[in-house]
Amino acid sequence: DIQMTQSPSSLSASVGDRVTITCRASQDINRWLVWYQQKPGKAPKSLIYDASSLQSGVPSRFSGSGYGTDFTLTISNLQPEDFATYYCQQHHRYPLTFGGGTKVEIK
Amino acid sequence: QVQLQESGPGLVKPSETLSLTCTVSGGTVNTGLYYWTWIRQSPGRGLEWIGYIYFTGSANYNPSLESRVTISMDTSKNQFSLQLNSVTAADTAVYFCASERGSNIGWGQGTLVTVSS
Repeated sequence: DIQMTQSPSSLSASVGDRVTITCRASQDINRWLVWYQQKPGKAPKSLIYDASSLQSGVPSRFSGSGYGTDFTLTISNLQPEDFATYYCQQHHRYPLTFGGGTKVEIK
Repeated sequence: QVQLQESGPGLVKPSETLSLTCTVSGGTVNTGLYYWTWIRQSPGRGLEWIGYIYFTGSANYNPSLESRVTISMDTSKNQFSLQLNSVTAADTAVYFCASERGSNIGWGQGTLVTVSS
């Protein structure tokens, strides 16, 4: 299985901050990475696909980068509705695997 | 995008079989557009892909669960189902059905299943 390691597991930030979350794959996954946002009691919502493509309807303050094994999700100008948990997921190979999550909390 | 809705018991006894059904609307399960997928989420195991079934009837399971899991489909009801045998407390989770197509996963709302006597 491809292991996905996210860091940090949690962070505190203020509205307006720039936040960076990293995801590392245990082997080369090309660009086959998705970033999700999840709020309590809801299913994950896709933000970024293919490592850097913004999902339709997602604000442009969300961006993704990376290729191979190292990936980054950046949220610029953090908004109140962005406080949530974020996950990465690889779809290079089955079984699909997810990172452990990063909880973004209000400072 | 199709809509997905999970249904089934919210409480299952240890050693018994967990059975869930996903009803698909806005599309048909009898299509090669999607892999009909189950994913679960628990505090201890995070998000875990369980497996999928394709419209041909072929299935692919997570090796960690393969000995206990079966995913099937009923085209007449436009549904697909999950069976997980010999459950323990570690199988307590929110179970999501999903439609997977490469980089795009469409999710159901999820249903909590608790394993307890």
